[in-house]
Amino acid sequence: GIQVEQSPPDLILQEGANSTLRCNFSDSVNNLQWFHQNPWGQLINLFYIPSGTKQNGRLSATTVATERYSLLYISSSQTTDSGVYFCAVAGNNRKLIWGLGTSLAVNP
Amino acid sequence: EAQVTQNPRYLITVTGKKLTVTCSQNMNHEYMSWYRQDPGLGLRQIYYSMNVEVTDKGDVPEGYKVSRKEKRNFPLILESPSPNQTSLYFCASSSGQAGGLYGYTFGSGTRLTVV
Repeated sequence: GIQVEQSPPDLILQEGANSTLRCNFSDSVNNLQWFHQNPWGQLINLFYIPSGTKQNGRLSATTVATERYSLLYISSSQTTDSGVYFCAVAGNNRKLIWGLGTSLAVNP
Repeated sequence: EAQVTQNPRYLITVTGKKLTVTCSQNMNHEYMSWYRQDPGLGLRQIYYSMNVEVTDKGDVPEGYKVSRKEKRNFPLILESPSPNQTSLYFCASSSGQAGGLYGYTFGSGTRLTVV
């Protein structure tokens, strides 16, 4: 089955810093999404991005499907960005395969 | 507002007492699924449904039941809960999009504790 690896596993930033999170996947996919899980456990859908580049405020994402990776950029980080960021992909059977996440702590 | 609604958000129950976690979506999505999230194990699929009256097992179906009598609802049933079913549960839905690509919408989660 498809394997998903995220890096780094943990990240600590000072407020205002920029960061890049990476997601590698082992096979071609029909779906790739980035989620933010907040400290209350809610999964917030950040981007649906099987290919190309998207931006939403301080966040942007790029997926290079032919090279099987995706990047999530966080600029000017804020304490509210803290939490766990997940990459999830799906192949033809539509089942989401999840990475283990990047745990981000943004300090004031 | 397009959303997936799960209830309850929090639930503490005792071993063996049947319970149902409800999930409803208002987007007319065909596909719905349930996941559980456990520390160190990530999110794992329990059951999924491709459409009304069509359900199938995911990776960890033991101890769970589902039904899909209506397109919008996909309840998760624990007939006899056990402590190893203590977890954070998520319901999700999606629809096919042009080119066969699709995105998932998740509910807010149900934190279940079985004592």
